This record gives sequence, C-alpha cells and structure tokens, in this order.
Amino acid sequence: QVQLVESGGGVVQPGGSLRLSCTASGFIFSDYCMHWVRQAPGKGLEWVALIWYDGTKKYYAESVTGRFTISRDNSKNTLYLQMNSLRAEDTAFYYCARTRAAALYYFDSWGQGTLLTVSS
Amino acid sequence: EIVLTQSPGTLSLSPGERATLSCRASQSVSSRYLAWYQHKPGQAPRLLMFGVSNRATGIPDRFSGSGSGTDFTLTISKLEPEDFAVYYCQQYGTSPTWTFGQGTKVEV
Repeated sequence: QVQLVESGGGVVQPGGSLRLSCTASGFIFSDYCMHWVRQAPGKGLEWVALIWYDGTKKYYAESVTGRFTISRDNSKNTLYLQMNSLRAEDTAFYYCARTRAAALYYFDSWGQGTLLTVSS
Repeated sequence: EIVLTQSPGTLSLSPGERATLSCRASQSVSSRYLAWYQHKPGQAPRLLMFGVSNRATGIPDRFSGSGSGTDFTLTISKLEPEDFAVYYCQQYGTSPTWTFGQGTKVEV
C-alpha cells in the first residue's frame, strides 16, 4: 500500500538549518508531484512547497520563499526539504503529500509527519 | 488569496448523530478545486472528498459533500466512533497554491 514516511525533524536554534526527508513506497514515485504541508501547534494546515514529478518545476509559499528548498531523488524514492534561516514560526509538524500532475487539486496520500521545533 | 472559514470550530455530538460541517470561501471556488480531509492526532491526514462530492477510495458512503460557489458542506450521516476527528476543507488556486480552512473538531 502507499506509504510516505517523514524523518529528520528535531530541535534547531533560530537561524539554523535542517533537512527533512520523506521516503515513499507502494507506488511509482516518479509519477507523482510531491508537496510539503505543515501544521504549527494549535493551528491549521499550511501548504509549504511543491515539486513536479520530474523535478523540473518548484513552487513555494511566500512564507518560506528564499529560505526553503524542495528537491527529490526519484532513484531513491525520496523527497527532501532543505530549511535554512529557521524562525520560531517555522515550528510545526511537517507532512509530505502527493498529487498527480493532472489533478493537482487535492492531496490523495499523506505521511504521518515529523516535528520541527525552532527554539533557543 | 482565497480564505476558507470553517464552522463551527467544534461540534459536540454522539455516535449515531448527523454531523454537518460548513466551509465558506471568501471568493467563488471552482467545484473541481474543493476537497475535504480528516485528521486524527498522530496520524496522517486522510483525503475524504474531492471535487466537492466525490468520495476518495475507501471512504464510506455515510460521508457526503455538497455546495458550490462560496458555500460547501461536509455531512456525516451517522457518526461512527472512528469519525471523531478534525476535518479540514481545502481549495486549490492557480498560482499554484493550496489553502486550508482552520478546521472543525468533531468531538463526543
């Protein structure tokens, strides 16, 4: 069955960096666009970034543009999120999720999330 | 940017009762672009409905979606114990961008 497993979360000081990973299984990873979506404590869901199925297009939320970089390695079925210049407001659970390029409108599978805490 | 407002914030119901969740958009949303998710603590969010009224794979028919324009509704006809969770509506914008409502918690 479809599985998305995030890893790499932890505690980072403000201004620091961290890279999250999402390992996919149970489907053809290179057929799907992949996203990062986050949820700050007590808040709702916020879309963060999208990478096209072949890595050729990338889009970001305004709140992370210039600080976060999404990438993927289709040979390893893995999605990444490189996060730099971290701020307290980046503290959240980070979920990876997939969509089809032909149906970007909704996320049909999600991982269980990994927690990033930005604190001194 | 389109803002989605969900109401109520919390819905207190008992198993067997009907749940009606509302999602109101600040501007008209294409029906193709409106989805609903269920989220339980510590679990992956789960797609329930897409295109307003299409149930995702494996979603029981007690879940139904309706609406158009700026007003959308998720209905759970008879609550089962496993339905107590937080529900989010979501819309797709052509930037591209995706926005979510703030969620409705369905509790016992």
